[in-house]
Amino acid sequence: NAGVTQTPKFQVLKTGQSMTLQCAQDMNHNSMYWYRQDPGMGLRLIYYSASEGTTDKGEVPNGYNVSRLNKREFSLRLESAAPSQTSVYFCASGTLQFFGPGTRLTVL
Amino acid sequence: GEDVEQSLFLSVREGDSSVINCTYTDSSSTYLYWYKQEPGAGLQLLTYIFSNMDMKQDQRLTVLLNKKDKHLSLRIADTQTGDSAIYFCAEKLTGGGNKLTFGTGTQLKVEL
Repeated sequence: NAGVTQTPKFQVLKTGQSMTLQCAQDMNHNSMYWYRQDPGMGLRLIYYSASEGTTDKGEVPNGYNVSRLNKREFSLRLESAAPSQTSVYFCASGTLQFFGPGTRLTVL
Repeated sequence: GEDVEQSLFLSVREGDSSVINCTYTDSSSTYLYWYKQEPGAGLQLLTYIFSNMDMKQDQRLTVLLNKKDKHLSLRIADTQTGDSAIYFCAEKLTGGGNKLTFGTGTQLKVEL
């Protein structure tokens, strides 16, 4: 039982490049979430998925897209990365929100 | 509106009690949560309290909720060096689709 896993752990991109952050959970949770964490700003919700097949915008969705591939997996895509997207990205699942270990992304 | 505030830093001596405070503005909160984040790690749920409760105790942790003042606190008894971390409070709103609003976090430093 791995809980919530995220890949990759670290990533460096150049401005304009695209990438997908992967998240998977093995707890059979309906809801999954993507947050970004920036110094002094706490966690801000990017997108969430209340159940398989549904996704909704959170507080800061601009520049991101998501896919709820199945009940286990919820991916976050940056189509054209910008330096303002340098952050630590966390995936969480379930009503009590169990968190993954995070992806540290730097956009140069 | 939704706004959750915390003080940025707290320093205590090992063995003392720590009290981390949080204020929120939305009275429709249903649950309030405390998470712990150690360096380089994700957030770990410590405890939560339902909005119709005043207090919840779990081993060294005591959560107090003053709904009238919209004030939440986390007391850690006999604070240890392993308690050094960032602590986040978060609220879940009625009809919020299980979305949480997080505070900015309080960095707790435990000194010997």
